[in-house]
Amino acid sequence: DVKVTQSSRYLVKRTGEKVFLECVQDMDHENMFWYRQDPGLGLRLIYFSYDVKMKEKGDIPEGYSVSREKKERFSLILESASTNQTSMYLCASNPGGVGGYNEQFFGPGTRLTVL
Amino acid sequence: AQKVTQAQTEISVVEKEDVTLDCVYETRDTTYYLFWYKQPPSGELVFLIRRNSFDEQNEISGRYSWNFQKSTSSFNFTITASQVVDSAVYFCALRSYNTDKLIFGTGTRLQVFP
Repeated sequence: DVKVTQSSRYLVKRTGEKVFLECVQDMDHENMFWYRQDPGLGLRLIYFSYDVKMKEKGDIPEGYSVSREKKERFSLILESASTNQTSMYLCASNPGGVGGYNEQFFGPGTRLTVL
Repeated sequence: AQKVTQAQTEISVVEKEDVTLDCVYETRDTTYYLFWYKQPPSGELVFLIRRNSFDEQNEISGRYSWNFQKSTSSFNFTITASQVVDSAVYFCALRSYNTDKLIFGTGTRLQVFP
């Protein structure tokens, strides 16, 4: 089974702190994704990566950056956390390639609270 | 533009009732993929089913069934004889053939009461 793990289930940070959310997948997937989930808005894509050191902005990249130094690991970085970044963050991965279903497999999520 | 609409924000049923979750999508592509995911209270999205735009065959898996109709751009999900364990948020999602990005609906929260 595909396993996507996230470093923390719950995280509390203060405004202005630099925050790292880590995601690891164990199925040698090419693509990895970061989403945030807010009530009434569903899942919105922040960034995704289609290869090591390669990234592409999603729908809401402002205030975030990402890092992918190794294939299995994809980090989401909040350079200076703000209260409006309080949310549930979900990481996902899929094998890649535009043909085929390529369903995404999700981690358990990190619920981040910024005070 | 692509869009997925799940008009039902929340549905409450009593155990053993049948319930249908609606999903309507918009796309100009002829080749696309549709998905349903379940998010239980634990938070992790669990993949349930996938369909491509050329396969309109309905599918049944145990108590779950899916009705894909291109004519109405809908991909509805029915749970027969609902159980408390079905309580979750359910998301419908769309992916075009030439991208890895998923477009999600806003989700439907299903509560099944004993």
